[in-house]
Amino acid sequence: EAAVTQSPRSKVAVTGGKVTLSCHQTNNHDYMYWYRQDTGHGLRLIHYSYVADSTEKGDIPDGYKASRPSQENFSLILELASLSQTAVYFCASSGQGAYAEQFFGPGTRLTVL
Amino acid sequence: GDSVTQTEGLVTLTKGLPVMLNCTYQTTYSPFLFWYVQHLNEAPKLLLKSSTDNKRTEHQGFYATLHKSSSSFHLQKSSVQLSDSALYFCALPSSGSFNKLTFGAGTRLAVCP
Repeated sequence: EAAVTQSPRSKVAVTGGKVTLSCHQTNNHDYMYWYRQDTGHGLRLIHYSYVADSTEKGDIPDGYKASRPSQENFSLILELASLSQTAVYFCASSGQGAYAEQFFGPGTRLTVL
Repeated sequence: GDSVTQTEGLVTLTKGLPVMLNCTYQTTYSPFLFWYVQHLNEAPKLLLKSSTDNKRTEHQGFYATLHKSSSSFHLQKSSVQLSDSALYFCALPSSGSFNKLTFGAGTRLAVCP
């Protein structure tokens, strides 16, 4: 079965610190995504990638960077974490076809203090 | 731009009753709509999808019909079960990139005994 894993599963960070969230997929999918989930806002796209060594901005990229060193791995980087970035972060992957199903990882709960 | 509206934040029902979760959308292209479901502390996963006007799509007892005339894709079930308690998201591919999804804010369905 398709698999997307995320690490860490939860993290507490200090304001101004650097945070790296990692995602790994074994689906052989070209597309990978990072979303954040906040109550009342559903899932919002931060960054995505359709090929290794390239990333694209999503709908809310400010304050976040992304890195896709290989087809399997996609990281989300918060260079200077802020209180407003406290949220649950989901990684997802999908195939290349238009309207392809997205497969989500289990999520990372990030708390910035 | 593209948008998805889910008007109910919370729907509470007694087991065995029917349910309809509303989803309306705005887009400039011929739409393809998704419903994703997220159970407590789990990852979102695809429930059903459709791009065919006026055709009912079913999965796991849930069904939805895309109505392009009213820009709607409401999710229904004739008899809810306790296990249906979850967060339900309606989603629409972006007109700029069909692999990007715009999610609604989500509707939480709580089923009581």
